[in-house]
This record gives sequence, structure tokens and C-alpha cells, in this order.
Amino acid sequence: NAGVTQTPKFQVLKTGQSMTLQCAQDMNHEYMSWYRQDPGMGLRLIHYSVGAGITDQGEVPNGYNVSRSTTEDFPLRLLSAAPSQTSVYFCASTRGGRSNYGYTFGSGTRLTVV
Amino acid sequence: AQTVTQSQPEMSVQEAETVTLSCTYDTSESDYYLFWYKQPPSRQMILVIRQEAYKQQNATENRFSVNFQKAAKSFSLKISDSQLGDAAMYFCAYRSAAPFDMRFGAGTRLTVKP
Repeated sequence: NAGVTQTPKFQVLKTGQSMTLQCAQDMNHEYMSWYRQDPGMGLRLIHYSVGAGITDQGEVPNGYNVSRSTTEDFPLRLLSAAPSQTSVYFCASTRGGRSNYGYTFGSGTRLTVV
Repeated sequence: AQTVTQSQPEMSVQEAETVTLSCTYDTSESDYYLFWYKQPPSRQMILVIRQEAYKQQNATENRFSVNFQKAAKSFSLKISDSQLGDAAMYFCAYRSAAPFDMRFGAGTRLTVKP
């Protein structure tokens, strides 16, 4: 089925380790974003991309890195994991242009940093 | 930056009754979109309803409707004939005309009592 695919669904990291959360969409959406969800804080924007080769920072970018080499893929890299990065991470995409389309979300990754 | 406030961390409703979830937002923009998302225990983010700011008519999707008060910057969600399957976290979201900038409220956890 078309949509946003995130992997892995669960991950445990040790402090200082690095890893990449994968995100792929097959809807030819221009815009892709990464959010983190923490209790009582809703979803906060980490990084976003308006197209291949173009990325920018959101509200909480520190400790994360992104790249967008293709329209389909938008991986999120944790450079040196910290306990404060324990969270649920969502990748989302939407169409370009002015529209009332909301985001299509992946199923999320629950990350625990110990 | 735009902010979204959901002042009710938790709400409960009796099955078959009606419940209203509140949302207010702060913006200086005139062109924007508002959304309600549902997040059941599965963690999946599901779009419930959307509203364009330029439309005066309130959006309706089956048992879900909104009360959009643009001047008051208020966007409440009404769920009629509540069902057990409506139990979930509900997030209000604001999106600028630039699609990547979607901001979320902290969420309201809805419990449906049989």
C-alpha cells in the first residue's frame, strides 16, 4: 500500500552511539518532515525538506542530521545519542503547493537511549 | 512562530454522547489550514478533519465536526454519538500556506466509557 514507511519500529541505543532512522514514501510528495513526540508536548518538528537536495531545521534540530538525495527517502541521523533523545519519532510527507492536504505519517519509531 | 494550545489534557465521554475538544492557536497569518489528528494506541496518526482558514463554513466528516472561529483563533472538535473506537489522543494542528510548517498542540486524551 502507498504511504510512508519508517524503520525500525523500536530501537535501544547506548549513550554516544549513532544510528539512522529510515523513512521512505512512494506518493511522490515534495515535502517531508521529521517530528519527535514526547508526553505532554505534542509533536515537535526536527528537520524538514521541501525537495531533493533541500533541507532545513525545525524547532528542535540539535543532535540530529538529515539529507534528501532522492524524492522518496529522508533519513534522520542521530550523531551521538543522548538520553534526552528518548522519544517516539515520526516521519511525515505531504504534497507541494498550496493545498489543504495534511501530512501522511509513518507508523513511528520508539527510541530509547540508555 | 505559531503556537497551538489544547487546554484539556484529558476528557471523557459516555458512549453515544457528544464531546467537544478545544483548541486555540496564535498566528499573524491570514492563509492557513487547521487539522485534527487522532492517535489510537497503535501510535498511527490518522487525519480526522481539516479546515481551510478562508472558508467560513465549518467542516464536517460523518460524526466529526468543527467549530471554527477565525477571529477568536479557536478550532474545536465535536464528536457526536461517541463510540468506543473514538478513544485516543487527539491533536490539533496548524499548517501555514508553506506546507512544511505544521505545528501541533500537546494533545487531549479522550476516554469513552461504555
